[in-house]
Amino acid sequence: AQSVTQLDSQVPVFEEAPVELRCNYSSSVSVYLFWYVQYPNQGLQLLLKYLSGSTLVKGINGFEAEFNKSQTSFHLRKPSVHISDTAEYFCAVSAPEKSSGDKLTFGTGTRLAVRP
Amino acid sequence: NAGVMQNPRHLVRRRGQEARLRCSPMKGHSHVYWYRQLPEEGLKFMVYLQKENIIDESGMPKERFSAEFPKEGPSILRIQQVVRGDSAAYFCASSPIPGHGYTFGSGTRLTVV
Repeated sequence: AQSVTQLDSQVPVFEEAPVELRCNYSSSVSVYLFWYVQYPNQGLQLLLKYLSGSTLVKGINGFEAEFNKSQTSFHLRKPSVHISDTAEYFCAVSAPEKSSGDKLTFGTGTRLAVRP
Repeated sequence: NAGVMQNPRHLVRRRGQEARLRCSPMKGHSHVYWYRQLPEEGLKFMVYLQKENIIDESGMPKERFSAEFPKEGPSILRIQQVVRGDSAAYFCASSPIPGHGYTFGSGTRLTVV
């Protein structure tokens, strides 16, 4: 079984400042890693994913994340945030198996609040 | 391609009634997943279906909840005899093949009064 820990429930930051949202996972098998963003009263939108290959993954809206296998982390970063980045961010893992497909295990989320 | 369509967007039911939530996957997607999001929590996996088959229902409550994905038509999540604790946002997602992530719908927000 897999688990995901998002240590920060809320992250306040000023506009144009850099931000890092932390994500750690645990798993006994290789995993795929994802970051999703949820705007109020909407569904989840995929920001980026790590399946294999380069450990630095670039996603939409200027976000990137780095997979660190030794630290079992997949932190999300953006060098300069905008007001429009205010949302809930979820880290998720999957360990695809024929029997369970793409079942995702989510963290509890981090609320990013960007202030002017 | 209209994306993953869920309806209704909002659903209010009285305790004891039935709730039926519908999910139409993206065109060409035969894998459907249902998740539940309780207030202030992350999403929890409920069930994974392919056309006409339930593949993994390990996250489904043992009673009152059922899901189907018929050969024709949308996937349905059915909750019988709803209770206040069923109030949550229910999200559906679909994918063409496992292993690469999937697309979520906008969710159905169920309120039990």
